[in-house]
Amino acid sequence: DAGVIQSPRHEVTEMGQEVTLRCKPISGHNSLFWYRQTMMRGLELLIYFNNNVPIDDSGMPEDRFSAKMPNASFSTLKIQPSEPRDSAVYFCASSFLDRVPISRDRAGNQPQHFGDGTRLSIL
Amino acid sequence: AQSVTQPDIHITVSEGASLELRCNYSYGATPYLFWYVQSPGQGLQLLLKYFSGDTLVQGIKGFEAEFKRSQSSFNLRKPSVHWSDAAEYFCAVTRDKLSFGAGTTVTVRA
Repeated sequence: DAGVIQSPRHEVTEMGQEVTLRCKPISGHNSLFWYRQTMMRGLELLIYFNNNVPIDDSGMPEDRFSAKMPNASFSTLKIQPSEPRDSAVYFCASSFLDRVPISRDRAGNQPQHFGDGTRLSIL
Repeated sequence: AQSVTQPDIHITVSEGASLELRCNYSYGATPYLFWYVQSPGQGLQLLLKYFSGDTLVQGIKGFEAEFKRSQSSFNLRKPSVHWSDAAEYFCAVTRDKLSFGAGTTVTVRA
């Protein structure tokens, strides 16, 4: 089975440039999560989607960050303009929520499967 | 707000020795509990999970964890460590959003 696929694996770009990170969740999963991992702050949840709808974006640091999920098999996280402090490893994860309708209380009841991450360096 | 604490930043163990990683959580009700492992350059892999029922849960790679409600703990254990267990380990708790501990780095010496 293919796991969560993220691209690119590494990205190095100059500050001010637009960065787009991509994620393909596991087929059949209906929830998708974007995380950021840094030495200083550890793992932080940025945003998560359920059935392609953003449920909680309270972790998105600034308006420079945006995420979309146009269909069940694809999501993007975009940073525009990028800054050096955005340098981090960005992980995408997916899972299946076993209860409908959407309930925030049940968002975590299935384990999340993580991609290998995108290591982003902003110079 | 829910939170999870991993008191040990770094643990060094000898190969073949036992390992215990501590995890304490803070939440009004019993949350869902997870342990993940992250090898260098890799994403997080689920080791085991606890939702309810038997408080001793078995996971992959020979790991187990015990949920103790009275101590708000969910410690991870392995009886005999292999060199390949060197990695960073994260405890996570959730009711709505997954919250990760800061992680414990495990070094295995020969």
